[in-house]
Amino acid sequence: QLQLQESGPGLVKPSETLSLTCTVSGGSISSSSYYWGWIRQPPGKGLEWIGSIYYSGSTYYNPSLKSRVTISVDTSKNQFSLKLSSVTAADTAVYYCARLNMVRGVIIYWGQGTLVTVSS
Amino acid sequence: DIQMTQSPSSLSASVGDRVTITCQASQDISNYLNWYQQKPGKAPKLLIYDASNLETGVPSRFSGSGSGTDFTFTISSLQPEDIATYYCQQYDNRPGVFTFGPGTKVDIK
Repeated sequence: QLQLQESGPGLVKPSETLSLTCTVSGGSISSSSYYWGWIRQPPGKGLEWIGSIYYSGSTYYNPSLKSRVTISVDTSKNQFSLKLSSVTAADTAVYYCARLNMVRGVIIYWGQGTLVTVSS
Repeated sequence: DIQMTQSPSSLSASVGDRVTITCQASQDISNYLNWYQQKPGKAPKLLIYDASNLETGVPSRFSGSGSGTDFTFTISSLQPEDIATYYCQQYDNRPGVFTFGPGTKVDIK
């Protein structure tokens, strides 16, 4: 059974860089049919797709966040990572990593989510 | 970029009621539209894919329809366990690009 697990600091100071890693187990991140993505959800609000990466390193980013986002992949560790720079309180959210099925256009597997709070 | 809208943003209905949620895309997305259910503190769960196909294991009281820009999600007989927020999600020919609607919160009256 595929599992995804987010890890990283739960508290980040304003103007600093938020960094999270997603570790994939029970399957290979190098599978050809999937992108790997980050989705966030501010408290009490809706879901926002942040960006996605293919195992080859090809990326897509949400245009509203593109200038601040970097997603990378480490196939040797079966991990992918998110960096979001110059954070503000508006970036406080639960951050989910997920496997995006390119063929079906759906997300079946999600991490449990991790709350990141931006505060001094 | 394609924008998604949903209505209503919230609704209250009685157990056994028929519940309908609509989702509209800013441009033609064919049937590239999925529906998810999210309960508090949990990750979303796929219910409907490609606008009208029921995901395996999902109760048949859930259904979807539509194509192009206008889509509908229906719960034929609302159950207490259906209390959740429902999101539409579109995907396009950029394989890693997903866009979610703003969500509809469903409560029991």
